Amino acid sequence: AQTVTQSQPEMSVQEAETVTLSCTYDTSESDYYLFWYKQPPSRQMILVIRQEAYKQQNATENRFSVNFQKAAKSFSLKISDSQLGDAAMYFCAYRSELRETSGSRLTFGEGTQLTVNP
Amino acid sequence: NAGVTQTPKFQVLKTGQSMTLQCAQDMNHEYMSWYRQDPGMGLRLIHYSVGAGITDQGEVPNGYNVSRSTTEDFPLRLLSAAPSQTSVYFCASRTSHSGPGKLFFGSGTQLSVL
Repeated sequence: AQTVTQSQPEMSVQEAETVTLSCTYDTSESDYYLFWYKQPPSRQMILVIRQEAYKQQNATENRFSVNFQKAAKSFSLKISDSQLGDAAMYFCAYRSELRETSGSRLTFGEGTQLTVNP
Repeated sequence: NAGVTQTPKFQVLKTGQSMTLQCAQDMNHEYMSWYRQDPGMGLRLIHYSVGAGITDQGEVPNGYNVSRSTTEDFPLRLLSAAPSQTSVYFCASRTSHSGPGKLFFGSGTQLSVL
């Protein structure tokens, strides 16, 4: 079974600064997807960024980028120019791509609570 | 589109009571799933479905039942609520045509079992 570990329960960053959230995972599979989800106090789950394991290029979405190290099984999220609205719980998640039936099954990490200080 | 709709948003139960958490999606998604979120543990998969009439167990299925009689609905039943089932519950759906990981989540149900 796959596992996802986020070793930072809490992180803080000054507004306009850069912060990196860590995520490691364990799998014996070669085909999979990795995701970062944001959960603000509203409880809504928002997809921030995703990475296909077969792609060597790191994914980017505006101020959000990842550092995907497949051999090390590491998938960190970098938030540049942090804004007050970035304050939220961030979850790293894994999805197998071995079978189509895995379609809605994600394995989540424990979460990292990000505080943005003005 | 309404997306994924969960009801109720909040619920308080007494130990031993039963109830059904409702989940409906209007996007004709094949895949639906239920997660529970507990502090320090992220979201854990309870049950999932790959289509009408097909369900299977996830990581933490004990104490929960599901059925999928239609594509739109995927209710989660607690047969005899226990304090350990106090949690926030999320329903999610996805279609195979929406890209590798675009899960649509409901807004969650906060359940307290006394």
